[in-house]
Amino acid sequence: AQSVTQLGSHVSVSEGALVLLRCNYSSSVPPYLFWYVQYPNQGLQLLLKYTTGATLVKGINGFEAEFKKSETSFHLTKPSAHMSDAAEYFCAVSTFQKLVFGTGTRLLVSP
Amino acid sequence: EAGVTQSPTHLIKTRGQQATLRCSPISGHTSVYWYQQALGLGLQFLLWYDEGEERNRGNFPPRFSGRQFPNYSSELNVNALELEDSALYLCASSPRRVSGNTIYFGEGSWLTVV
Repeated sequence: AQSVTQLGSHVSVSEGALVLLRCNYSSSVPPYLFWYVQYPNQGLQLLLKYTTGATLVKGINGFEAEFKKSETSFHLTKPSAHMSDAAEYFCAVSTFQKLVFGTGTRLLVSP
Repeated sequence: EAGVTQSPTHLIKTRGQQATLRCSPISGHTSVYWYQQALGLGLQFLLWYDEGEERNRGNFPPRFSGRQFPNYSSELNVNALELEDSALYLCASSPRRVSGNTIYFGEGSWLTVV
């Protein structure tokens, strides 16, 4: 069965610092991987996705993620955090019939 | 283009009652998904509908049910409400399900059971 594991339920960074949110996947077939963001009291918004092709995927709001098959990872990064990035981030893997989510990582950004 | 729309935004029900939540997918999308996001439990897959049929179901009791209408809108029904059903219910839609398609989410419906 396909699954994702997000390391760290909370990550704290200072404004301007590097953001690194970790996601590892388990899949018996080439995976389709997603990162979603959820701002307080809102639904989920797609940040980026990996299907095939280039392993470095650029998303919205300056985020990017790199698919590393050898490490079964799909970590999300942003060079410089902004206060508005404070939210919960979900990694997900796509199966034929549904999207399976990780448990989420709450990003806290301090001034 | 309108996104996925859900109603009501908030709903308060008493234990034992029934709740009905509604979802309109993005135009052209035939698949609708329902997820439950309860405090501390993450996003749990509930149901997937496509072309009017239930295609897959998560690990939820039968009192969670739903349907998809000919216009691809959907409703989720929760019978015999329990306190632990209090959660944010998220609806999402996509084109006919093929692995890798992006699933687009609505803003959710908050259900509170008292």
